[in-house]
This record gives sequence, structure tokens and C-alpha cells, in this order.
Amino acid sequence: GAVVSQHPSRVICKSGTSVKIECRSLDFQATTMFWYRQFPKQSLMLMATSNEGSKATYEQGVEKDKFLINHASLTLSTLTVTSAHPEDSSFYICSARVRDRDSYEQYFGPGTRLTVT
Amino acid sequence: AQSVAQPEDQVNVAEGNPLTVKCTYSVSGNPYLFWYVQYPNRGLQFLLKYITGDNLVKGSYGFEAEFNKSQTSFHLKKPSALVSDSALYFCAVRDPGYSSASKIIFGSGTRLSIRP
Repeated sequence: GAVVSQHPSRVICKSGTSVKIECRSLDFQATTMFWYRQFPKQSLMLMATSNEGSKATYEQGVEKDKFLINHASLTLSTLTVTSAHPEDSSFYICSARVRDRDSYEQYFGPGTRLTVT
Repeated sequence: AQSVAQPEDQVNVAEGNPLTVKCTYSVSGNPYLFWYVQYPNRGLQFLLKYITGDNLVKGSYGFEAEFNKSQTSFHLKKPSALVSDSALYFCAVRDPGYSSASKIIFGSGTRLSIRP
């Protein structure tokens, strides 16, 4: 089956620094990737949708200057949390979409645990 | 706008008993419905989905779900619970089309706890 990987799986960074999370579709090309955020004991909230070669579409309330998304190729999307603060600590999950005839399938990565100290 | 609701934050079941995790949906048109499971500090694992056809969908690990259009529900079920089924379960919905606006929306999650 289709596999989506994320790197790193865990990261700890100091407040004020930036951290980059990579999302890769390993055995398929994904024209669209999604980034979700999950706080402890809560649901996944969609942050943004990124299409290869174009700017990401952010959900309401998500700061696009803080959460920079780059989708430079059909197999790689990156999320950069800029000037991270403790409140950005969360579990970030990416998802990749691949077309299947008139519809599509969406596959999820294993997640990245970000802790900002 | 499409949405799903999981009315129970937590479900407790004794091992060996049947379990049900509830989900209702609201979507225009015919929905695509999903169940995912999440173990601690792990990503999502796909359990099953309903697109069309038989209202009873069978999925991974012995789980099944019943699509009920009149009640707009898609409850997750298992005839005999295992302790290893203890996890966080998410119901999700998306519209069936392929467009840049199509996206999966998750419910709030239900924590399933199976006691030995």
C-alpha cells in the first residue's frame, strides 16, 4: 500500500528557533498534501492544503507566516514552524492524496511530535 | 459544510463483549465515510471506509461499520472486544468529488478502553 513518511518523528527545539518537518510520499506521487495538527487528547485539525508548485491554502485561523509550507515536488512537502513558541508544541500529521479515477485516496504519515521549550 | 460528530468522549467495554463507537455525519450529497484508529504517539491507521454499496462495511482487525442513511450514522462495531483494541478512534468524512477543496474532516475522537 501507499506509504507516507515524516521526518523527524520527534523534535525538541528552543523557543524562538525554527523547525522544519518533512513529509514524503514514498511510492506514489501526490499532487496534494495536507498538514494537520493535533493537541493532546484532541482531534486532528486541518491546518493547510498544499498543491505541488503552488502556494498552500491555509485554514481559517492558521498563520501562514508562522507555518510555512513548501510543496516543491510531487513526493515532498515541508512544514516550517518559524519562531516557535511553547504553544506550538503539538503533534503534526501530514497526509498525501493520490488520484484514483474520478476520486482520490488519502494516506497519512506517522506524525511528528514537536516540543518547544 | 460537511461534519461528523462523535457523541462519546470515552467508551468502556469488558474484553469479550461487543463494542460500538458512535458517529453521525452531516454532508450534502453522498458521503465518503471513514474510521481511523490512533495508538499513543502514533499516526493514524485506516480501519475501513464506506463509499457506496453494501451498508455493512468490514475492515481491519475485525471491525465493521454500518452506514445508515436515514439516521445519518456510521457506527463502528466489533463483536468481541480485545484489550489491544484500546485506542483513540476517529470518524471522518469527505465529499466524494475530486477537487482542490475536497478534504477529510475528522470527528472529535472517542477513546475506547477495554478492560480485561
